[in-house]
Amino acid sequence: AQKVTQAQTEISVVEKEDVTLDCVYETRDTTYYLFWYKQPPSGELVFLIRRNSFDEQNEISGRYSWNFQKSTSSFNFTITASQVVDSAVYFCALSLNQAGTALIFGKGTTLSVSS
Amino acid sequence: DTAVSQTPKYLVTQMGNDKSIKCEQNLGHDTMYWYKQDSKKFLKIMFSYNNKELIINETVPNRFSPKSPDKAHLNLHINSLELGDSAVYFCASSPALGQGGQETQYFGPGTRLLVL
Repeated sequence: AQKVTQAQTEISVVEKEDVTLDCVYETRDTTYYLFWYKQPPSGELVFLIRRNSFDEQNEISGRYSWNFQKSTSSFNFTITASQVVDSAVYFCALSLNQAGTALIFGKGTTLSVSS
Repeated sequence: DTAVSQTPKYLVTQMGNDKSIKCEQNLGHDTMYWYKQDSKKFLKIMFSYNNKELIINETVPNRFSPKSPDKAHLNLHINSLELGDSAVYFCASSPALGQGGQETQYFGPGTRLLVL
């Protein structure tokens, strides 16, 4: 069975601090995809990144970076120099390589950035 | 242009009523989904359709019935609404396997359902 664990329920930081959101996944499949989504207070789900299981390269996009490590089944997300607009719930998710397969979400981490 | 749209955005109704939520995507995707987000923000799949064919039908009450008239639409009909159905319902779509960005699911804005 597949599972995604986000052990941090809530994180509070002050602007300009760096923050890392942890994600650990479980699957026996060799081909799978990992995702991060952002849900701001307005409620929509915004896609941030997708990684497939064969690509362990870390990725950086502006202040966002992702560290994928198959050895520890982790896909962590770091925000550098956090801003108030980063305040949101962040979800890590896993999907398998099958048509129409579901996203299996973690329970989310609520990030609060204060000024 | 809106990629995945849902109507209505808010739905307040009485217990026992029947209601529908509509979803449309203009991304040309083959697969569409319904997810439910509960009061604790937990997101769980309800249904998925690939080319109008039901792929996933999770353990949801049979009061919930999805309908896909074509690839661009996936509607959700709920009979005899109960208090516990109050949640946010998200529609999503994704390209078929083998296409660029396969399995990336793009979500609609959500429908906030409140059953009184």
